[in-house]
Amino acid sequence: DQQVKQNSPSLSVQEGRISILNCDYTNSMFDYFLWYKKYPAEGPTFLISISSIKDKNEDGRFTVFLNKSAKHLSLHIVPSQPGDSAVYFCAGRAAGNKLPFGGGTRVLVKP
Amino acid sequence: DSGVTQTPKHLITATGQRVTLRCSPRSGDLSVYWYQQSLDQGLQFLIQYYNGEERAKGNILERFSAQQFPDLHSELNLSSLELGDSALYFCASSVDPSTDTQYFGPGTRLTVL
Repeated sequence: DQQVKQNSPSLSVQEGRISILNCDYTNSMFDYFLWYKKYPAEGPTFLISISSIKDKNEDGRFTVFLNKSAKHLSLHIVPSQPGDSAVYFCAGRAAGNKLPFGGGTRVLVKP
Repeated sequence: DSGVTQTPKHLITATGQRVTLRCSPRSGDLSVYWYQQSLDQGLQFLIQYYNGEERAKGNILERFSAQQFPDLHSELNLSSLELGDSALYFCASSVDPSTDTQYFGPGTRLTVL
């Protein structure tokens, strides 16, 4: 049962433009959603989170939007930079702090 | 550097063997999580420990087991290894189970030949 899905396995964007990563979930009991960024040969690093009671959270170039009625969240990166090239995972936190992750979206920012 | 350490970095072994992966959480973190990332797959949650006690279980096979020791380090034991167990195994830690941020180690790459 995959509770969190990222339907786009990859995304290519020009430097300076906006990157939009999407994530869908099925578990309405998630109270937090998190985005992690992963470079090759490294562990995932926490990027940004959003509480289920909010619809937007912004941190510098990164903004996460939550649409609870659609069970959908998105991560916007603007402007995209070459260093943003990585795999991005979204995750939902449920009771017991299980953290189901999506399959990841590989972002390539072209200079 | 997340502060979470994992050893070894790489492990190559044969089918049927048993291996132990080790994780040391960040200083002060009581909760440890194990994840598996197979080729082209997302992160699969395996198991969570909090202060030495098992807290939550995910898609962990019966051939796999884990424990968290009094000094809070954790070990993941994989036995009767199969080719399909080849993957990256990540450990993460957090202060407590209610904390929303988990800090990941660099992972152990297991190759089963």
